[in-house]
Amino acid sequence: NAGVTQTPKFQVLKTGQSMTLQCAQDMNHNSMYWYRQDPGMGLRLIYYSASEGTTDKGEVPNGYNVSRLNKREFSLRLESAAPSQTSVYFCASSDTGNSPLHFGNGTRLTVT
Amino acid sequence: AQSVTQPDIHITVSEGASLELRCNYSYGATPYLFWYVQSPGQGLQLLLKYFSGDTLVQGIKGFEAEFKRSQSSFNLRKPSVHWSDAAEYFCAVGPKAAGNKLTFGGGTRVLVKP
Repeated sequence: NAGVTQTPKFQVLKTGQSMTLQCAQDMNHNSMYWYRQDPGMGLRLIYYSASEGTTDKGEVPNGYNVSRLNKREFSLRLESAAPSQTSVYFCASSDTGNSPLHFGNGTRLTVT
Repeated sequence: AQSVTQPDIHITVSEGASLELRCNYSYGATPYLFWYVQSPGQGLQLLLKYFSGDTLVQGIKGFEAEFKRSQSSFNLRKPSVHWSDAAEYFCAVGPKAAGNKLTFGGGTRVLVKP
């Protein structure tokens, strides 16, 4: 039972490089989310997708784009990485809006 | 706007002692409240949630939390801590509407002394 799978686990980028973080869930959940975690700040919502075909901005969307490729997959793209985007990124999914979130194990990104 | 404050950044507790983690929230309507736990290198796992009804909610791993509307608090407790409870704990608040856009507190890291 894989749950929510994120790739890669670790990534180092130089300023200005681009990359895509991948996320897939096998629980047939409708909603998917991208959070970033920074020390002392908890998790902050970047983007979410309430259902297949829809995406919406969260609290900190600047510098990111997302794609809900299908019901299973929700990717996060950094077009031009900046040091301020050094963080741990978590993908999550939920069945409905009020269901608990199921999290992946995170991607630790460092931008130098 | 909704917000969550966890006043304690670190707590050290002896194994077998009781534990209480504080959580205060600001929310304009009746909130949905959650506690999550994060072990090192892992994602977050749901401990318990409060939607309505009984204000004392039981969760996994022997944890419980009490919703106090008058104090805007949702404190997490465990009567007797085990070494495996060493982790970071996050309180979160969200709307009743669909979307599950949770706001998380900054977290409390719990260290357990033998």
